[in-house]
Amino acid sequence: QVQLVQSGAEVKQPGSSVKVSCQATGGSFNSHALTWVRQAPGQGPEWVGGIIPVFGTANYAQKFQGRVLITANQPTNTVYMELRGLTFEDTAVYYCARQGTLPVAGISFSWFDPWGQGTLVTVSS
Amino acid sequence: DIQMTQSPSSLSASVGDRVTISCRASQSVGMFLNWYQQEPGKAPKLLIYAASSLHSGVPSRFSGSGSGTDFALTISSLEPEDFATYFCQQSFSGPYTFGRGTKLDIK
Repeated sequence: QVQLVQSGAEVKQPGSSVKVSCQATGGSFNSHALTWVRQAPGQGPEWVGGIIPVFGTANYAQKFQGRVLITANQPTNTVYMELRGLTFEDTAVYYCARQGTLPVAGISFSWFDPWGQGTLVTVSS
Repeated sequence: DIQMTQSPSSLSASVGDRVTISCRASQSVGMFLNWYQQEPGKAPKLLIYAASSLHSGVPSRFSGSGSGTDFALTISSLEPEDFATYFCQQSFSGPYTFGRGTKLDIK
C-alpha cells in the first residue's frame, strides 16, 4: 500500500523560495497524478497543482502560475513542489496526495487519496 | 473557479445522533464531488467519491448523496471518532476546489 512521506517543516523569509518533497514508499506513482494542496491556518484546503510523473507534465492553479514549479524524479518515486516569491500569505501546511481515478462510461471520476503527512511552511521575517 | 459552500460551518451533536452536512456548488459539477474527514493536526482522509461511492475501509454509517449543485454527507449514528472537520471537494474542473469545512463537535 502506497504511503506518501513528505520533507520536514520549513521557515522562510519573505521573497525567498521553498522546495518540498514527497516520496512514495511501498509502491510507485505508476500512472497516477500527484497533486499538491495547501491549507492555511483555520482555512479549507486549496489546490496548488499536480503532475503525472510518468509523463512529467504539470498543471497549476492560475493563482500560482509563474510562482510554482512541480517536478518528479521517477527513479526515486519523489515529487517536488517549489514555491517562489514567498509572502506571509503562503504560510500553510502543504500536502501531497495521489489522484485516484475511476473511468465510468467514458468519463473519469477523480479524488485525492492517500495524502502525505503535511509540511508546515512558515513565512516569517 | 467553482465555489463550494458548506453548511453549517459548525455543528454540535451527541454520540448516536444522525447528522447531515450540506455542500453546494456555484455551478453544476455532475457527480464529481468528494468528501473528506480531517482530524486536528492530520491530513484529510477520503470518505466518499463520485458523490455517493464509499471509499474502501470507510464505515457504512457514512453516506453521500446529491448531484448537480447540491450534495449531502450523512452520518447515520455518530461514533466518538467521527468528531472532526469535513470538507467537500469538486473534481469536475480545474482548479479543484474545496469547501471551507464543517466542524463537528461533541454537544
